[in-house]
Amino acid sequence: SQTIHQWPATLVQPVGSPLSLECTVEGTSNPNLYWYRQAAGRGLQLLFYSVGIGQISSEVPQNLSASRPQDRQFILSSKKLLLSDSGFYLCAWSLGQGVDTQYFGPGTRLTVL
Amino acid sequence: QKEVEQNSGPLSVPEGAIASLNCTYSDRGSQSFFWYRQYSGKSPELIMFIYSNGDKEDGRFTAQLNKASQYVSLLIRDSQPSDSATYLCAVNRAGGYNKLIFGAGTRLAVHP
Repeated sequence: SQTIHQWPATLVQPVGSPLSLECTVEGTSNPNLYWYRQAAGRGLQLLFYSVGIGQISSEVPQNLSASRPQDRQFILSSKKLLLSDSGFYLCAWSLGQGVDTQYFGPGTRLTVL
Repeated sequence: QKEVEQNSGPLSVPEGAIASLNCTYSDRGSQSFFWYRQYSGKSPELIMFIYSNGDKEDGRFTAQLNKASQYVSLLIRDSQPSDSATYLCAVNRAGGYNKLIFGAGTRLAVHP
């Protein structure tokens, strides 16, 4: 069966500091991978998606970036965090075919102070 | 108009009752519709999906889809306090690969 991991689970960072969040998927090959952000009391906003190694598409202009250095690894980064970057960051995967259901990881709660 | 709209709630129902959660969407080309449950502080977990008009049942859950009215709903029979959570409706964006558009969610509270 497939498993998705995210770390860290929680993070408190000062404004202007860098960020690196990691997501890995086990039990499947060549998944589609997604990064979402959920602000407090809000819906999920798609940030980035990837259909393969090195293939990244951005949905919303911002100071975040994503990379996919390996088939089942997805990284979300920032060089300088803003207060508005606070939120619940969720990684998701899908098979990329058929109904293409997305399954979410446990998430990283980021607080920027 | 938001792409996916849900009543934020809270929707309060007594234990054992039927909870009815509704969602409307704006893109007529949308093909697949998903319901996720999200407990406070946790990540969303899939309940079920539907892509054909009509009803689809899975245990205590029934999803209903009406593409002509651009409306999808989730019924929860015999509601339990453990069903208290936020329910997210998601709709795939028509054309190309699968991008999901999420509603803001409806908070359900089942009281004993």
